[in-house]
Amino acid sequence: AQKITQTQPGMFVQEKEAVTLDCTYDTSDPSYGLFWYKQPSSGEMIFLIYQGSYDQQNATEGRYSLNFQKARKSANLVISASQLGDSAMYFCAMRGSSASKIIFGSGTRLSIRP
Amino acid sequence: ETGVTQTPRHLVMGMTNKKSLKCEQHLGHNAMYWYKQSAKKPLELMFVYNFKEQTENNSVPSRFSPECPNSSHLFLHLHTLQPEDSALYLCASSQVVTDTQYFGPGTRLTVL
Repeated sequence: AQKITQTQPGMFVQEKEAVTLDCTYDTSDPSYGLFWYKQPSSGEMIFLIYQGSYDQQNATEGRYSLNFQKARKSANLVISASQLGDSAMYFCAMRGSSASKIIFGSGTRLSIRP
Repeated sequence: ETGVTQTPRHLVMGMTNKKSLKCEQHLGHNAMYWYKQSAKKPLELMFVYNFKEQTENNSVPSRFSPECPNSSHLFLHLHTLQPEDSALYLCASSQVVTDTQYFGPGTRLTVL
């Protein structure tokens, strides 16, 4: 069975600081993909970053980077120089052998303090 | 319009009503999805359509009936819903089923 675990239900961070959101996963599939999505209060799920299980380098997209540690089965999201607009729910997700099915974690609510 | 759009954004309905949620994607994608997001529960996949054909039904009750007339449009027909069906319903699309999914803004449904 596949599982995504986000152990931080909520986090408070000072503006301009870096923040790491934790995500661990469990799968027996040799090939899988990991995603991070941001959900502001408006409800829309915004795709942030993707990491394939065979990718040699950690994915980066602007201020977002994914700290992928395959042996530990972790895929933490790092946001550098946080901004007030980063306040939102963040979801880690994984796609395994059932290519069309993505499972989501329970999310972390990030609040940025000015 | 760009990306994935959903209408209506908010819907309140009684248990005996029939209503439909609409999703449209302007990305040229071939796969579309319905998800349900309830309070304090992880996002749940409901249906998957690939090239207009339903490829996955995640044990969804029959009071939810999806329809995909073409690769750009996806509907979710609702009838005789229960209060526990109140949730945010999100539509997503991807180029193919193995690609990254892009979501619409969701329809917040309240069943009285």
